[in-house]
Parts: sequence; C-alpha cells; structure tokens
Amino acid sequence: AQSVTQPDIHITVSEGASLELRCNYSYGATPYLFWYVQSPGQGLQLLLKYFSGDTLVQGIKGFEAEFKRSQSSFNLRKPSVHWSDAAEYFCAVGEGYGGATNKLIFGTGTLLAVQP
Amino acid sequence: EAGVAQSPRYKIIEKRQSVAFWCNPISGHATLYWYQQILGQGPKLLIQFQNNGVVDDSQLPKDRFSAERLKGVDSTLKIQPAKLEDSAVYLCASSSGLAGSTDTQYFGPGTRLTVL
Repeated sequence: AQSVTQPDIHITVSEGASLELRCNYSYGATPYLFWYVQSPGQGLQLLLKYFSGDTLVQGIKGFEAEFKRSQSSFNLRKPSVHWSDAAEYFCAVGEGYGGATNKLIFGTGTLLAVQP
Repeated sequence: EAGVAQSPRYKIIEKRQSVAFWCNPISGHATLYWYQQILGQGPKLLIQFQNNGVVDDSQLPKDRFSAERLKGVDSTLKIQPAKLEDSAVYLCASSSGLAGSTDTQYFGPGTRLTVL
C-alpha cells in the first residue's frame, strides 16, 4: 500500500537559518508528490507539487523540494526561515492521479517552530 | 475568489449523539472531498464526489457516517451515532477538474469535533 513517512515530528530552527523537512514515500508507480502547510486554525495550503520533469520544484513562499527516485524521497527546503513559517508541514502522495481518482495520502506531519 | 467554506468551525457533542457538517466548495469546482484528521495524524480521505456522484468512499465507516452532495454543489457529512474515536478535524476540499485530474485540491478551515 502507498504510504508517506515524515521522520521528524517536531523541528525547531532559528530565524534566518536554513530548513530541510524530510519525506519518504512508498509507491509502486511514478508518484505525484505534494507539500502542504497548515497554520493553526487554517486549512491546508499547497506549497508545491511534483508530477514529472525537473526534479527540483519551486513553490510559494520561497520553498523548494527535490524528488529523488533512488531514495524515494521528496524533501522540502528553504534557505532562510522566517518567523511566519512556523506551522505544520505535510507531505503527501497522490493515488490515482490522472486515473480514476485523486486521493491524497498524507504523512503524519512535521511541526516547525521558529526561534527568534 | 472565495475559498472553501465550512461550518460549524467547532462542535462538542456527547457520544451516541448525531452531528452534521456542511461544506461549500469553490464555485464551479466539480470534485469535492471530505478528509478526517485525527490529532497527531495526517488527513485521511473519507469520501470523494464528482459533481453529485460518489467516486471513492472506501474509507468511510458507512455504519455511522454518511455524506451527500445534492445538486453537485454543497455537501454535508453526518455522523450518527458518534463515538469517542470520531473526535477529529473534518476537512473539506475541492478541485476544479474531474476525478482523476491533476488539479490542486483547495482545503477549507475544517470543523473540529469533540466527542465526550
């Protein structure tokens, strides 16, 4: 079965420091991969997605992610974190995209805290 | 453009009571999803509609959960009777394309349900 693993439950970084959030997936076919962010009391917002092509994907708010098929990973990065980036981040794989359905299978999330 | 609207935002009920949640998707969006997000977990898809038809309800506990999308616009999700383990945030999402498309899913703010 398809699954997504986010090994880090909670990460704390200093404002201005770089960030990398890890995501590993298990999927039999070419995966459709997503990163969403969830701020308190807010719905999930799409940061970026990978369907095919260039394995380095640029997203909103200065985030990027790199798809590495050999490592089954899709890690999210940001070169300089801002206090407003404090939120929970979810990696997801799309099941059935381009086919019969488009179900998102989410990881358990990584809660990011930003220190001044 | 208005986002996905959900109501109520919070609900507290006793176990064995019934509860209903309402979702109004982005105007013109054909596909609507209901996800359940239990504390500490990523969202899990409960049901996916395309217009007013069900595409996927394989993870909906049909003995107590029901959902409908009359006229292919608004949707309601009902739980009857509720159990303690139903305490969660219920997220509604919508996307413009038909099931199986690669369109972005836009999420509402969710309804937080507490079952006592």
